[in-house]
Amino acid sequence: DTGVSQDPRHKITKRGQNVTFRCDPISEHNRLYWYRQTLGQGPEFLTYFQNEAQLEKSRLLSDRFSAERPKGSFSTLEIQRTEQGDSAMYLCASSSLLGEQYFGPGTRLTVT
Amino acid sequence: AQSVAQPEDQVNVAEGNPLTVKCTYSVSGNPYLFWYVQYPNRGLQFLLKYITGDNLVKGSYGFEAEFNKSQTSFHLKKPSALVSDSALYFCAVRAGLTGGGNKLTFGTGTQLKVEL
Repeated sequence: DTGVSQDPRHKITKRGQNVTFRCDPISEHNRLYWYRQTLGQGPEFLTYFQNEAQLEKSRLLSDRFSAERPKGSFSTLEIQRTEQGDSAMYLCASSSLLGEQYFGPGTRLTVT
Repeated sequence: AQSVAQPEDQVNVAEGNPLTVKCTYSVSGNPYLFWYVQYPNRGLQFLLKYITGDNLVKGSYGFEAEFNKSQTSFHLKKPSALVSDSALYFCAVRAGLTGGGNKLTFGTGTQLKVEL
């Protein structure tokens, strides 16, 4: 296992369309996190899972956003009815219970 | 609420000279502190962390950081900079076990430019 992987790496969509991103964590990690990063800013926390349970959600995560982690393995982040303000880099990270977070390469979303 | 401040948007240093990238934080309880580096179009790479113990922590690629509780700072340092160190550096904090929570709060980043 070489690290956290994310798919796709780039996504261009039209406003109003739905998009879904996938994250595969490091296999032995039971915690998985989603962050959003816009130009010139540090990553901002969106949500995290411990195994299959979603334990915390940021206020940034509007009703149009939903995340799942079935069976505690990979995770998906879906954005419904995309808006131009959703354009950002979406980062996934994983960690062991007390360990540091390791990040994937990110999915860059562009909403036109 | 937890927060991180990186007061310098950019730091310029000559190759071979020592470098310092500054970070101050605010968090409830004992802090867990981290430094990450980001190269263009890539995710964040973990450099080092402070959880407890010695105030000087050593990490990857010759980097180290000094935790100062009284000044609530966690500055990143390297004795001799390399051109290949040029990248965007992020400081991050999370509350320790007694403070609860697992999310990282990041600073806005400091662009390090190392010139020949």
